[in-house]
Amino acid sequence: GAGVSQSPSNKVTEKGKDVELRCDPISGHTALYWYRQSLGQGLEFLIYFQGNSAPDKSGLPSDRFSAERTGGSVSTLTIQRTQQEDSAVYLCASSPQNRAGTEAFFGQGTRLTVV
Amino acid sequence: TQLLEQSPQFLSIQEGENLTVYCNSSSVFSSLQWYRQEPGEGPVLLVTVVTGGEVKKLKRLTFQFGDARKDSSLHITAAQPGDTGLYLCAGFRAGSYQLTFGKGTKLSVIP
Repeated sequence: GAGVSQSPSNKVTEKGKDVELRCDPISGHTALYWYRQSLGQGLEFLIYFQGNSAPDKSGLPSDRFSAERTGGSVSTLTIQRTQQEDSAVYLCASSPQNRAGTEAFFGQGTRLTVV
Repeated sequence: TQLLEQSPQFLSIQEGENLTVYCNSSSVFSSLQWYRQEPGEGPVLLVTVVTGGEVKKLKRLTFQFGDARKDSSLHITAAQPGDTGLYLCAGFRAGSYQLTFGKGTKLSVIP
């Protein structure tokens, strides 16, 4: 499809396990964002990519969280040793450029539940 | 502290009523955007405002950017049940890579 694709759509994992969340942005979009949305909350910024580099990782909540982007396209968000407080919807967005006012196109998110 | 404060957090109104949602900050933004999110979906852009004092209309929705570019409002005239959803404001501060979001206003329009 032409939109942002995230997989899996739902993930249930046991506390302490590692998880990988995948984002396929819109083709040609150079900017890619990861956000976390907890129940009843707004979107919490995690990390931003311009191409394959991440000039802003300031939102990653701990060193258990990491992300990479390869080929200026697919991005993977990895959470190691998951905790119950990591349960949330993880949203990915892409944008043709990182400039004020440019639209961010979102995927449907991955709902992560840590039990 | 939340960079973008939205109010009210929840709003439940009858079909046909008017409403206003606010997005405020102590920081100056290069632009502000409004997104609407439905359950199980990602947010979708409604409008971008870039000039202080700018007013944009989208059918029954009117968006305003404050003169000092620190705040914005969304006004809905004659709300419809299809307007139900989570309304989020977002923006870039000058020199920042972060597209920062507010916590959102959850709107329910009752038929």
